[in-house]
Amino acid sequence: DQQVKQNSPSLSVQEGRISILNCDYTNSMFDYFLWYKKYPAEGPTFLISISSIKDKNEDGRFTVFLNKSAKHLSLHIVPSQPGDSAVYFCAAPPYSGAGSYQLTFGKGTKLSVIP
Amino acid sequence: DTAVSQTPKYLVTQMGNDKSIKCEQNLGHDTMYWYKQDSKKFLKIMFSYNNKELIINETVPNRFSPKSPDKAHLNLHINSLELGDSAVYFCASRHRGNTIYFGEGSWLTVV
Repeated sequence: DQQVKQNSPSLSVQEGRISILNCDYTNSMFDYFLWYKKYPAEGPTFLISISSIKDKNEDGRFTVFLNKSAKHLSLHIVPSQPGDSAVYFCAAPPYSGAGSYQLTFGKGTKLSVIP
Repeated sequence: DTAVSQTPKYLVTQMGNDKSIKCEQNLGHDTMYWYKQDSKKFLKIMFSYNNKELIINETVPNRFSPKSPDKAHLNLHINSLELGDSAVYFCASRHRGNTIYFGEGSWLTVV
């Protein structure tokens, strides 16, 4: 049962344009969301997060938007740069008891930024 | 210095063998994890330990046994390796915030 879904396996964007990566979730109890970035042969690295009390969080070129009613979040990268080419994972912590914090991940979207 | 380090990075081994992947974190974190990324690219949790105590044990064959000698180390031992165990295994750690920090991964190929 996939609680976090990234329905676009890949996305190609021209350098300088905006990249929009989407993520949907099914569990209305989720109250925090994270985006991770992963280069080939490396581990995922934390990029940006958002709490459910906000609808937007911005960090430099990266902005995450949360639409709780639609159970949807998106990551905007503007302007996109070739170094942004990576796989982006959306993640959320399902609550399963005290001390058992974990993250459940989407399948990832591979972003290719074309110079 | 690498915050979460795991060895080996690449491992090719035959079916039936027993192998271990070691993980160490120098972040002072209390919780460590093993995640698996399979051929379909899903990142799924296998185990988590908090201060050397097993907290999460997902539906994983008992051929997989984690061992935490101290809170900075969480090793993964796999017995009787099968072809389907081929995957990337990520060690990770967390302190008290919401962010989990991952190692670079160990690519296991069973032939």
